Amino acid sequence: DTEVTQTPKHLVMGMTNKKSLKCEQHMGHRAMYWYKQKAKKPPELMFVYSYEKLSINESVPSRFSPECPNSSLLNLHLHALQPEDSALYLCASSQGRLAGGTDTQYFGPGTRLTVL
Amino acid sequence: AQSVTQLDSQVPVFEEAPVELRCNYSSSVSVYLFWYVQYPNQGLQLLLKYLSGSTLVKGINGFEAEFNKSQTSFHLRKPSVHISDTAEYFCAVRGIYNFNKFYFGSGTKLNVKP
Repeated sequence: DTEVTQTPKHLVMGMTNKKSLKCEQHMGHRAMYWYKQKAKKPPELMFVYSYEKLSINESVPSRFSPECPNSSLLNLHLHALQPEDSALYLCASSQGRLAGGTDTQYFGPGTRLTVL
Repeated sequence: AQSVTQLDSQVPVFEEAPVELRCNYSSSVSVYLFWYVQYPNQGLQLLLKYLSGSTLVKGINGFEAEFNKSQTSFHLRKPSVHISDTAEYFCAVRGIYNFNKFYFGSGTKLNVKP
């Protein structure tokens, strides 16, 4: 089973709202990722968690706040977003550093976010 | 640093025809290469990967890719496409110094016509 689930599937929010995106995997993976994807573009890495610790932050604005409560869950808290933040937000997971050269990322279906 | 180039932004092809989607990478050391497919309004699905060993890699849905070190290429092929193969295809290379970082190509839209 290589399933990564994401909720909600769609989200519409105003610029003053606070909302959260959720991601879950039960593959025993120890690395989890958030990507942002604009239309007709490749995914852009935002954050990486390795063994529940934030290991990469690609200079993402503070209005995006990631959280990894345990090894199976990854959240992305959203606050005071701008219309240009509208995009598909993808979660991915992989075995992590112990897999070494064989490590492979598996993606969820994404959350389509619209900021009004 | 690692990077990948997908030379074609769009590839139109008729159903049952063969197709090749091109991907070139730049790296001075060993590479780990991947092809992902993204159907409309969905996430990315792993098609196949090259980590080591045989240079011809077979994936899902009848796709295969050949790793060519001398030409620094990892082209994706399918001998006979279906309408359902219409999607965006991304080539990616994983970072050597940081396995957590994937470098994606700009994508190729495969448009299969009846």
